[in-house]
Parts: sequence; C-alpha cells; structure tokens
Amino acid sequence: NAGVTQTPKFQVLKTGQSMTLQCAQDMNHEYMSWYRQDPGMGLRLIHYSVGAGITDQGEVPNGYNVSRSTTEDFPLRLLSAAPSQTSVYFCASSPNLQGHEQYFGPGTRLTVT
Amino acid sequence: AQSVTQLDSQVPVFEEAPVELRCNYSSSVSVYLFWYVQYPNQGLQLLLKYLSGSTLVESINGFEAEFNKSQTSFHLRKPSVHISDTAEYFCAVSGDSNYQLIWGAGTKLIIKP
Repeated sequence: NAGVTQTPKFQVLKTGQSMTLQCAQDMNHEYMSWYRQDPGMGLRLIHYSVGAGITDQGEVPNGYNVSRSTTEDFPLRLLSAAPSQTSVYFCASSPNLQGHEQYFGPGTRLTVT
Repeated sequence: AQSVTQLDSQVPVFEEAPVELRCNYSSSVSVYLFWYVQYPNQGLQLLLKYLSGSTLVESINGFEAEFNKSQTSFHLRKPSVHISDTAEYFCAVSGDSNYQLIWGAGTKLIIKP
C-alpha cells in the first residue's frame, strides 16, 4: 500500500496562474479531504468528499475547486493563484465517513509570487 | 460551533522529563477526540483517539491522554520524553453530526538534551 500520495512536493506559481494538486489513495477510503497548513493556525479544511461524485466545502473553500470522479483520486485546483494561497497543502483520507482517523499524504509546499 | 484550544504553542522540556500538552474543546454534545503528531517535514499521523469507553487512552510509543468531560479536556502526557518525540502535536475533535475534524493550532514539543 502506498497510502496517500500527493504530487508535486514543491511548486512555485506566479500570481494569476492556475494549477492542480494531485492526491490519490489506494486504501479504498470513501472520505477524502484537503487542508492547508499555515504557521500558528493549525489545519484548515478546504474541501472534502464522502464518495465519488460528492464534494462539499470546508472552512476556507474560496479560490479552490475539487472534483471526485473516482474513489481513488481527489485533485485540488487553484483557479487563479494569489500570494495568500502560499501554504502547505495536505490531502487526507479516512475509512470513516465522518472523517475520523485520517491518513495524511506528505504534503505539497506551494509558493505564489 | 465547536472549537479546540491548545494552550501552549511551544513546550520545551528536558530529555527524560515528563510532559503534558494541553487541549480543551468546546462542545455540549458527544465528541470524538484525537491527537495527531507531525514530525518535521512530514504529514500528520494519528497518535491516539478517544471514541468511547475508557477515558484513558494510550499510544504504542508511551503517550497517553485522558478524556475529562467535566473539564472538556483531552490532555496528552508522557512520563519520559525522548529526542525522537520532537514534533508538533495537534488536538482535534469531531462531533456526531458533521463530516469535519476541528483542529487546534498545534503545540511544538521541543526536547532539550
């Protein structure tokens, strides 16, 4: 089992550019989520999904889109990057539909200049 | 809305000394409580969880946490820390009726040799 994988590990974008952060899991988990981590602020939920075709917004969804066409994949799209989106992004999955016991990927460090 | 407070942003402690990392939550309904650990430059890993039953829960590497409903706390303790425990520790809570974990801001455990 690879667990939760994320690509890329590092990315630098210019303001206004768009990109997609990839996330995949091979544990057949229905629940998947995206967080951003900023110093002193813990983790903030961006979007989550409880199964293929089902997504919902978290605490900080503005500027991000998600889709869930398969159980395995949950990509996060930045529509028009802004410096405020400079952060470390984590994808997670859970065998529990309420998001307990989440398994995290290694993270993507994004810098927007 | 639920919230989680980790009272200390950093806790310095000498190696082999005991440590307590504090976590308080605000909720009037049943909760499920978690501690996650993030080692440097890695994703988060589940350390221990309280779902029901015994209020004292333990991890495989010597940490324990006690659920105290009257004080709405879930403090993390270890009787003797090692340099390998250097990490950031996050407390999280999930209620019955939502699909989100609510996260504390994290506590950095700094082990002094």
